[in-house]
Amino acid sequence: GAVVSQHPSWVICKSGTSVKIECRSLDFQATTMFWYRQFPKQSLMLMATSNEGSKATYEQGVEKDKFLINHASLTLSTLTVTSAHPEDSSFYICSAARGDGYTFGSGTRLTVV
Amino acid sequence: KQEVTQIPAALSVPEGENLVLNCSFTDSAIYNLQWFRQDPGKGLTSLLLIQSSQREQTSGRLNASLDKSSGRSTLYIAASQPGDSATYLCAPDGGYQKVTFGTGTKLQVIP
Repeated sequence: GAVVSQHPSWVICKSGTSVKIECRSLDFQATTMFWYRQFPKQSLMLMATSNEGSKATYEQGVEKDKFLINHASLTLSTLTVTSAHPEDSSFYICSAARGDGYTFGSGTRLTVV
Repeated sequence: KQEVTQIPAALSVPEGENLVLNCSFTDSAIYNLQWFRQDPGKGLTSLLLIQSSQREQTSGRLNASLDKSSGRSTLYIAASQPGDSATYLCAPDGGYQKVTFGTGTKLQVIP
């Protein structure tokens, strides 16, 4: 079945540094990928939508200069959290649209110390 | 704006019980609805996808129903097992790029 590989699964970084999260569709082409964030005890919230070869579309309230999204190929989308702060600590999940639904990555738990 | 509510927020049942998880959404103009499970610290696993033209889908011990006009979906789990313990999320899809997640039901099945 369709698989989305997300790396890393967890990362701890120092405040002020940048962290890159990768999502790869392994056996299908994903022209559109979505990035979600989940704070503790809250539901998933869509952050942005990335389309291969074009700029990402960000949801209201999400800083595009802080959360850089690159979707350079049909199988890879990356989310870079720039100048991370402790309030950015969260669970980040990507998903790719398929014809009959969505396939999700395994998620990345980011802790900024 | 689509709002998705899941009731109950948490549920604890003894092993073997049949149970129902409820999901309601405010905007009935959806293309499909998906149920997911999320294990602690892990990503999402898709359980069932119901197209807007369907009324239910079954997979093993899971059965999901959809009443689009009333904005409701239920997930029925038969003969619950400890391995079913997880958070269950419903997610109606309002069309391209418009998936809204519910707040989830945290299920604990006690051996």
